[in-house]
Amino acid sequence: DIQMTQSPSTLSASIGDRVTLTCRASETISHYLAWYQQKPGKAPKLLIYKTSSLESGVPSRFSGSGSGTEFTLTISSLQPDDFATYYCQQYDSGSGTFGRGTKVEVK
Amino acid sequence: QLRESGPGLVKPSETLSLNCTVSGGSVSTYFWSWIRHPAGREMEWIGRVFHSGTTKYNPSLKSRVSMSIDTSNNIFSLKLTSVTAADTAVYHCARSLYEPPDTFDIWGQGTGVIVSS
Repeated sequence: DIQMTQSPSTLSASIGDRVTLTCRASETISHYLAWYQQKPGKAPKLLIYKTSSLESGVPSRFSGSGSGTEFTLTISSLQPDDFATYYCQQYDSGSGTFGRGTKVEVK
Repeated sequence: QLRESGPGLVKPSETLSLNCTVSGGSVSTYFWSWIRHPAGREMEWIGRVFHSGTTKYNPSLKSRVSMSIDTSNNIFSLKLTSVTAADTAVYHCARSLYEPPDTFDIWGQGTGVIVSS
């Protein structure tokens, strides 16, 4: 299976900051890359699919980009509701694999 | 909405059984999966069931997994046999619009399962 590596594992940021999270695939994948947000004890929430398509209802401050093996999730201006853990998932092949997540915490 | 239910503690070598109740929609469309998340590790897709009863499993777990669906009661289920401590995880049920691998647009909040004697 394709391995997904997320960095950093923890990111400390302040309200209003521009935040960029990275996800690297162990081999080239097409654009079938998704991002999820999860808060403690809650269900994961789909934010972005096909690398850059915003799921319905997701604020426009979230954006995704990338190609090949490197992908990013950007939050243009961090809001209080955005402190959470973010996971990437490739669904290009195999069973679909997830990264270990990046926790965005208060600086 | 999806809601997982089942015992939170299972003994080694026994069978883990979980249900996922779907409300506000029907299991007679789309694909219904189980995904687990061991602490500190990656989430892992376990498998999916379709409303017809057809299943597809992660090859790494295929020998121990079975899934079923009850369209009358809007419930789908997971059984994992011969569990070990490595099966300790939070187990989520989730929906995908297309055959996995695919994104999961609706998830349950998860239920924790500990394998211990």
